[in-house]
Amino acid sequence: KAGVTQTPRYLIKTRGQQVTLSCSPISGHRSVSWYQQTPGQGLQFLFEYFSETQRNKGNFPGRFSGRQFSNSRSEMNVSTLELGDSALYLCASSPSTGTGTDEQYFGPGTRLTVT
Amino acid sequence: GQQVMQIPQYQHVQEGEDFTTYCNSSTTLSNIQWYKQRPGGHPVFLIQLVKSGEVKKQKRLTFQFGEAKKNSSLHITATQTTDVGTYFCAGAGAGSYQLTFGKGTKLSVIP
Repeated sequence: KAGVTQTPRYLIKTRGQQVTLSCSPISGHRSVSWYQQTPGQGLQFLFEYFSETQRNKGNFPGRFSGRQFSNSRSEMNVSTLELGDSALYLCASSPSTGTGTDEQYFGPGTRLTVT
Repeated sequence: GQQVMQIPQYQHVQEGEDFTTYCNSSTTLSNIQWYKQRPGGHPVFLIQLVKSGEVKKQKRLTFQFGEAKKNSSLHITATQTTDVGTYFCAGAGAGSYQLTFGKGTKLSVIP
């Protein structure tokens, strides 16, 4: 099976702009989670989607949003970018039997730099 | 909210020495998972522990889940240069769809 894919891999944006990141999960996986990874804060949970529904959201401002499509592909959007949003954004898919948190299969990430 | 603490933050070992990283949660976990991230790479799932007191082995790696399901450890016997990377634990509370990651232990192996 093909792994999790994320596009684009690298992105440079200016403060105040907005950005959309895309994630295609492993075929058959219905759960998609998004994480922000920075050297100082580590891996921080953004949100999780299952069958187009957001089931959980981390402690991030409303500028961070996401959605999932019927084919399980997911996008996340960050509006009004700030310098502190520079990070590696990781998407992870999971088979999710619905009973809890299954193992996560991570994509290569999108490296976002805000200048 | 749930917090997962991991120690040590860094560990430098001579090749052939053993290595252990510890993980502690502020709340009881339904399961704990371990991941490895190589430099420049993404986290890769290693194992999941579910039962209280569970011990699992993968070749030179031994994973333990505490009796109270609030702590866990990963032990590597006779480290090799291929073990280099950052090891993360991640826990989930009962009925939660959110994994909380520890900040990881970065392992360096000196040949």
